[in-house]
Amino acid sequence: EAGVTQFPSHSVIEKGQTVTLRCDPISGHDNLYWYRRVMGKEIKFLLHFVKESKQDESGMPNNRFLAERTGGTYSTLKVQPAELEDSGVYFCASSQGAPGNSGNTIYFGEGSWLTVV
Amino acid sequence: AQKVTQAQTEISVVEKEDVTLDCVYETRDTTYYLFWYKQPPSGELVFLIRRNSFDEQNEISGRYSWNFQKSTSSFNFTITASQVVDSAVYFCALSGFTGGGNKLTFGTGTQLKVEL
Repeated sequence: EAGVTQFPSHSVIEKGQTVTLRCDPISGHDNLYWYRRVMGKEIKFLLHFVKESKQDESGMPNNRFLAERTGGTYSTLKVQPAELEDSGVYFCASSQGAPGNSGNTIYFGEGSWLTVV
Repeated sequence: AQKVTQAQTEISVVEKEDVTLDCVYETRDTTYYLFWYKQPPSGELVFLIRRNSFDEQNEISGRYSWNFQKSTSSFNFTITASQVVDSAVYFCALSGFTGGGNKLTFGTGTQLKVEL
């Protein structure tokens, strides 16, 4: 069974440009999450989808970030326009249910490493 | 608010040594889950363990063991007879019902280097 896959694995863009990150969750997982790790800091929650609906987007840093999950399958995270402080690793994760419920584990992808220069 | 502290930024050991990674957490929830993830050089976050707040029994899985102590709000991770392949960043995380139970709050990670 395929795990969580993310594309691209690495991206270097100039300040002001746009980047779109894609995530394919594990098949059958209704819950999809985006997290981000800025260099040397903790991994921080960005948002959570349940199917195609945004359940919680309290971690999105500002309106330059837009996440979508059309059809409840894969998700995209667009950064437009990118700023230097957006550099970091963007992790996507998925789970069958919420992690607070017994038996549900969040599985992460390899991350998309974004560098804004 | 929830918080996870991993005070050890980096640990270096020689192969076959035992090493303990510390994790201290803060939460007001009475029901919560604790996790450990491993991030090898390949980048993927690999799930290691999930423990709920009502189960303080220690767990052992091969060379890995976890010591959960509610009294000190700690969930420490020990690797016995470390190997070079254990070199990675290890993250401790917490999920509670505050915030809907859908988020993981991570620590800053501990970089473990195992040398020959």
